[in-house]
Amino acid sequence: SQTIHQWPATLVQPVGSPLSLECTVEGTSNPNLYWYRQAAGRGLQLLFYSVGIGQISSEVPQNLSASRPQDRQFILSSKKLLLSDSGFYLCAWSGTSVEQFFGPGTRLTVL
Amino acid sequence: GESVGLHLPTLSVQEGDNSIINCAYSNSASDYFIWYKQESGKGPQFIIDIRSNMDKRQGQRVTVLLNKTVKHLSLQIAATQPGDSAVYFCAETRASKLTFGTGTRLQVTL
Repeated sequence: SQTIHQWPATLVQPVGSPLSLECTVEGTSNPNLYWYRQAAGRGLQLLFYSVGIGQISSEVPQNLSASRPQDRQFILSSKKLLLSDSGFYLCAWSGTSVEQFFGPGTRLTVL
Repeated sequence: GESVGLHLPTLSVQEGDNSIINCAYSNSASDYFIWYKQESGKGPQFIIDIRSNMDKRQGQRVTVLLNKTVKHLSLQIAATQPGDSAVYFCAETRASKLTFGTGTRLQVTL
C-alpha cells in the first residue's frame, strides 16, 4: 500500500532563517507530487506541483521554492523565512486517478 | 476569476440527524468535484468524488449531488456521528490540479 510521510511535524523558526521540509512517498512510482499551504481556518492553497524528477511548476510567486531530487521525494525550501510563511504545509501525491492523497502535514511557526 | 466556495462556515447537527454541506463553484470546465474531510491537525482525507457528467453519487452514508445548472455541489451525510465532526472541503479538479473551497466546519452535538 502507498504511504506518504512528512517531516518535521512541527517547526518553529525565526524570521530570516532557512527552511527545508521533506515529503516522501512509498509504494508507488512516478507520482504527481504537490505542496499546499493552509492558513488557520482556511482552505488549501497550491504552491507547487511536480509530474517528474526535476520538473517543478510554481502556482504562486513567493518566498518559497521546491525541488524533486528523486522520484518519490519532494522538498519545500526557503532561504529566508518571513512571518507570512507561517502555516500548515501539506504534501500530497496522485497517480492515474484524480484523487490526491495527503500527508500528515507540517505546522510551521515563524517568529 | 475561478473560485470554489462554501455557503456556511459552521454547521451544527445533532447526532443521528442528516447533514447537508453545500458548495458553489464558478468554473464550469472542471472535470471532477471532490469532497475532503479534515480533522484537526491532520491532512485532508478523501470522502467521495463525482464526475462532471454525473448528477449524483452515493457512498457509505454519504451522497454527493451536482447541479451544473446552478453550479452547486452538496455533500449529504446520513445519520451523522460524533466522528463526522471535522472541516469539510469541496474541491474542483482540472488537469490533475485541485482548487479548494474555504471549508465548512461540521459540529456534531450529542
